[in-house]
Amino acid sequence: EIVLTQSPGTLSLSPGQRATLSCRASQSVSSTDLAWYQQKPGQAPRLLIYGASTRATGIPDRFSGSGSGTDFTLTISRLEPEDFAVYYCQQYGRSPPVYTFGQGTKLEI
Amino acid sequence: QVHLQESGPGLVTPSGTLSLTCAVSGGSISSDNWWNWVRQPPGKGLEWIGEIHHSGSTNYNPSLKSRVTISVDKSKSQFSLKVNSVTAADTAVYYCANNGAYCLDNWGQGTLVTVSS
Repeated sequence: EIVLTQSPGTLSLSPGQRATLSCRASQSVSSTDLAWYQQKPGQAPRLLIYGASTRATGIPDRFSGSGSGTDFTLTISRLEPEDFAVYYCQQYGRSPPVYTFGQGTKLEI
Repeated sequence: QVHLQESGPGLVTPSGTLSLTCAVSGGSISSDNWWNWVRQPPGKGLEWIGEIHHSGSTNYNPSLKSRVTISVDKSKSQFSLKVNSVTAADTAVYYCANNGAYCLDNWGQGTLVTVSS
């Protein structure tokens, strides 16, 4: 079973700053199988990035994903007030099929 | 885009069975999608429960497999979740979702289920 560890647990920044969130896998993950989600209080998660670097429909280009192997990064280039939320990475395992999530990074003002 | 809506009892007694339904609208449940359940205990992270294809094929989280059943009713355009022998640890917001490219790209709003006597 692959374990995803996100860091930091909490990231305190201001609007306009750059945010860098990390997701480390306990063993190598195909880039195809790595996704990122944003979750605001009282809301369902929203898909941001899939395939490690492809933005989902309607996601602003200030969000970008990168990485390979065991280390993946979500970058928000210039924080907007609406970006303050919890972010989760997710890996899809194929044998057997299973979705595994990281524990989340809280991005706060 | 497909719309997903969860429904079911908000309170379940310990040792009982949790039952939820997800209604699918704006698209066909018989499309080539897998229909998923994910849960989130209050203040905690996300846990994938399992998925079903319209053909009836299922995949479950190994940690929950012994207590979980997911089924599909194509005539009603809905799929369902049952969790047996529930405890307080099963208290969570339960989401239904459908898959994208090795991700979950469309989610319902979620429903809170509390296990308590």
